[in-house]
Amino acid sequence: GAVVSQHPSWVICKSGTSVKIECRSLDFQATTMFWYRQFPKQSLMLMATSNEGSKATYEQGVEKDKFLINHASLTLSTLTVTSAHPEDSSFYICSAQTDRRNTGELFFGEGSRLTVL
Amino acid sequence: AQSVTQLGSHVSVSEGALVLLRCNYSSSVPPYLFWYVQYPNQGLQLLLKYTSAATLVKGINGFEAEFKKSETSFHLTKPSAHMSDAAEYFCAVSGTGNQFYFGTGTSLTVIP
Repeated sequence: GAVVSQHPSWVICKSGTSVKIECRSLDFQATTMFWYRQFPKQSLMLMATSNEGSKATYEQGVEKDKFLINHASLTLSTLTVTSAHPEDSSFYICSAQTDRRNTGELFFGEGSRLTVL
Repeated sequence: AQSVTQLGSHVSVSEGALVLLRCNYSSSVPPYLFWYVQYPNQGLQLLLKYTSAATLVKGINGFEAEFKKSETSFHLTKPSAHMSDAAEYFCAVSGTGNQFYFGTGTSLTVIP
């Protein structure tokens, strides 16, 4: 199956700093990538949908200026948590989709755990 | 609009016993249905998917699920639980467009 890689897996940062998380599709071109946030013992919360070369579409309640998403190529999307605060600590997961002609299956990255001190 | 409901946020079974994780979907059009597994501090791994072919779908690690349109269900089963099956399981549905909806998840505990 298709492989999606996230980096870093773990990151600890000081409050007020910015953190960038990368999501790469290794063996396919991802027309659409999704970013999720997952709180402990909870399901995935969709934060935003990004299509290559266009602005991301954010879900209601997600701050665009706080969570910057860039989908510069068909194999790379980045999530930047700007001016991070302890409440931003969470598990962030990306997923990628090839095109609409397939079954809509999502391929997930391994996740990135962010801890803001 | 599509949605999925997972009944039971926690399920405990004994090692070797049958695993049954429930998922019901709500969809106005024939859906694509998925079961994903998540181990601690990891992303989601696809167990199996239903894409309007055979109604009984076999996945990895001995799991299977049956699509029942009359019951709008897609329950996940495994005849004999292993300790390594302990994880979080998510049912998901996708339909037209890029919309993808997850259930709230079921945490499976396997008791030795």
